Amino acid sequence: EAQVTQNPRYLITVTGKKLTVTCSQNMNHEYMSWYRQDPGLGLRQIYYSMNVEVTDKGDVPEGYKVSRKEKRNFPLILESPSPNQTSLYFCASSHRFGQGNEKLFFGSGTQLSVL
Amino acid sequence: EDQVTQSPEALRLQEGESSSLNCSYTVSGLRGLFWYRQDPGKGPEFLFTLYSAGEEKEKERLKATLTKKESFLHITAPKPEDSATYLCAVESSTNAGKSTFGDGTTLTVKP
Repeated sequence: EAQVTQNPRYLITVTGKKLTVTCSQNMNHEYMSWYRQDPGLGLRQIYYSMNVEVTDKGDVPEGYKVSRKEKRNFPLILESPSPNQTSLYFCASSHRFGQGNEKLFFGSGTQLSVL
Repeated sequence: EDQVTQSPEALRLQEGESSSLNCSYTVSGLRGLFWYRQDPGKGPEFLFTLYSAGEEKEKERLKATLTKKESFLHITAPKPEDSATYLCAVESSTNAGKSTFGDGTTLTVKP
């Protein structure tokens, strides 16, 4: 089954304790992206990757890191989480470049609470 | 800076009562405009991609249209299962890969 898998689904942590949210896709997609969604708001892009070893900042990259060493994986790293990073996080992936009806496939989300 | 504004913020319809959702955008060259549906606690689900003004796409009771400044999502004879939040997003051709989402329209369809 084609899917984007995020783990964990829920995470409660404390300020300053480094954490990683994993994201994996099995569709051989070139493009992957991370978003955060706060109550009543749409998605804001954190980082995106057009292909392996290529990453770029979105609108809200401060406090986050990413890496794209393999095509299928795109982990989101919070080196020193703070309470304002409490949010619902989504990973997404898609084909790019002349694929016509491009569309993002989203994971199920990770609800992060930083105390 | 790319911007997307969706209206109304919330819309309540009776079953069978057709209506439209609006997505106004400003972008430095439009690579694509996307519509997604999001159910509570779930990831967005793709509906449509529109690439150029005048383009239209349909799927069941939904029809998306695009002009140079806005997009509409028309819902014909909605059913309660159409209740969801509908998100609009744009991607700039000058900054491929960077996407901007609107805050969404929450649609409630009463039986």
